[in-house]
Amino acid sequence: DGGITQSPKYLFRKEGQNVTLSCEQNLNHDAMYWYRQDPGQGLRLIYYSQIVNDFQKGDIAEGYSVSREKKESFPLTVTSAQKNPTAFYLCASSRDRGNYGYTFGSGTRLTVV
Amino acid sequence: GQQLNQSPQSMFIQEGEDVSMNCTSSSIFNTWLWYKQDPGEGPVLLIALYKAGELTSNGRLTAQFGITRKDSFLNISASIPSDVGIYFCAGQRGNQFYFGTGTSLTVIP
Repeated sequence: DGGITQSPKYLFRKEGQNVTLSCEQNLNHDAMYWYRQDPGQGLRLIYYSQIVNDFQKGDIAEGYSVSREKKESFPLTVTSAQKNPTAFYLCASSRDRGNYGYTFGSGTRLTVV
Repeated sequence: GQQLNQSPQSMFIQEGEDVSMNCTSSSIFNTWLWYKQDPGEGPVLLIALYKAGELTSNGRLTAQFGITRKDSFLNISASIPSDVGIYFCAGQRGNQFYFGTGTSLTVIP
């Protein structure tokens, strides 16, 4: 079955450390997205990529970095520069620039300890 | 980013009751989507709307694309316990979707 896989499901990080969240899709979707979700808030766009080797900043890109070396993969690195990284992170993908909506992964909950 | 106002923020209803929630914006959108998110999971697409005035059903769910293209509503009829979750609206403008803040639904058996 095609889908989008995020790993790990839960991640703990010490302050000052970088951490990378994985996102893989086998839907042959061109576009991929990273969102951050905090309690009581909507989904906020961190980065998105519409094609391999190209990506754009979303509304809250500071303290995050991404790469898109393969169509299937769009990893997100949470750097030590991100002041409040504890959150639920969602990866999504879409075809045709999202005209048919996004398919979401099951999320990674990152906790900074 | 674009601001989508979703209301109500939370709802507590008895099983069997109907539910209505809506999403409004000051901006025009070309597509409206409604998603449901179970706790600790990613959102799942429920209904997609592509034309102003469009009314679409998916089982007990009905959604409409507002005629002004600045709003949308979602109705759930005869709620059941598994309807519990957070419901998000999303509006498309250009290459991006913008998400509402969510409506948290609790169904009391």
